[in-house]
Amino acid sequence: GDSVTQMEGPVTLSEEAFLTINCTYTATGYPSLFWYVQYPGEGLQLLLKATKADDKGSNKGFEATYRKETTSFHLEKGSVQVSDSAVYFCALMETGGSEKLVFGKGTKLTVNP
Amino acid sequence: DAMVIQNPRYQVTQFGKPVTLSCSQTLNHNVMYWYQQKSSQAPKLLFHYYDKDFNNEADTPDNFQSRRPNTSFCFLDIRSPGLGDAAMYLCATDEGRSGGYTFGSGTRLTVV
Repeated sequence: GDSVTQMEGPVTLSEEAFLTINCTYTATGYPSLFWYVQYPGEGLQLLLKATKADDKGSNKGFEATYRKETTSFHLEKGSVQVSDSAVYFCALMETGGSEKLVFGKGTKLTVNP
Repeated sequence: DAMVIQNPRYQVTQFGKPVTLSCSQTLNHNVMYWYQQKSSQAPKLLFHYYDKDFNNEADTPDNFQSRRPNTSFCFLDIRSPGLGDAAMYLCATDEGRSGGYTFGSGTRLTVV
């Protein structure tokens, strides 16, 4: 079945550091890919998405590029802030298949001042 | 402005005592989901509605039921909560299964 694998956390960075959170997926078809963010005590929020190969999703300084050849969708940000501290979830939805989001296990990011 | 509203934010229930969690939406989305999220884990889908069409996940315990009386409201009923059911319960909506879910803030359930 479809699955998403994220790098293990937690990740701790200093403010203004570069962030990469790796995400790879397994799917039989052509999924849409997503990054969701969950701040402490809150529900998940959609951060960015990409629906086809080579698409780049971006939002709030975060970017991720849909790489079909490596089945990856790594999240990057050039300069993190303390306010970026949260748990980040990579997810996929296979169009025409189950049409449900499948989440990775999440990566907790802590940014220190 | 809140678009998916879950009530209450925190719910404490007794072991074995039925409890209902509620979710409402102002987006008029036709798909509504219930997820269970335990500490430091990914959300786990329990079931979802596409309009009135109910879809249960194969591994969702019978103890969990759901109702959707209209487009705006969806309820999660736990018939006999056990200690293992303590978790954050998340409601989400989607327009036509796009994957761009809108989540509520969740209800944190404690079972004593």
